[in-house]
Amino acid sequence: EAQVTQNPRYLITVTGKKLTVTCSQNMNHEYMSWYRQDPGLGLRQIYYSMNVEVTDKGDVPEGYKVSRKEKRNFPLILESPSPNQTSLYFCASSLGWGTDTQYFGPGTRLTVL
Amino acid sequence: AQKITQTQPGMFVQEKEAVTLDCTYDTSDQSYGLFWYKQPSSGEMIFLIYQGSYDEQNATEGRYSLNFQKARKSANLVISASQLGDSAMYFCVDNAGNNRKLIWGLGTSLAVNP
Repeated sequence: EAQVTQNPRYLITVTGKKLTVTCSQNMNHEYMSWYRQDPGLGLRQIYYSMNVEVTDKGDVPEGYKVSRKEKRNFPLILESPSPNQTSLYFCASSLGWGTDTQYFGPGTRLTVL
Repeated sequence: AQKITQTQPGMFVQEKEAVTLDCTYDTSDQSYGLFWYKQPSSGEMIFLIYQGSYDEQNATEGRYSLNFQKARKSANLVISASQLGDSAMYFCVDNAGNNRKLIWGLGTSLAVNP
């Protein structure tokens, strides 16, 4: 089944404790992206990647890191999480850019205490 | 700056009736595309329909159709024969620009009444 998977789905952590949210797609998509969703602010892009080893900042990259060592994986790293990073996070992928539909993972609900 | 405006924070519709969700976009690009996504209360993001700026005809996907008026920069989603399962948040999204970022509206919350 073609899908985007994210893990964990739910995470409660404390300020400053490094964490990684994994994202994997099995559709051989080139484009992958991370978003956060906050009430009243909609979805905002954190980082995106056009292909392996090619990443770029989105609208709200501060406090986040990403890597794209393999085509299928695009982990999101929070080196020192803070409470303002409490949010719902989505990973998405698409075949390319432009007309290609982005397929979303199920979301990761993160709470930073 | 590119922007998507969804002017209806919340909408109600009776089951089996049609409903239109408004979306206006602001882009100076010649080539762009508009998507609609649905987010039910369970949280997942579901692709519904896509309209390219050069598409001659309005896009349709089952009960979903897009009323695309290029001159007015509007791309309204029409849901025909509403079902209870259509109750969800709906987002209009623009992929205009060379910066490879999607621009999201703030969404419209649709409630379908039995």
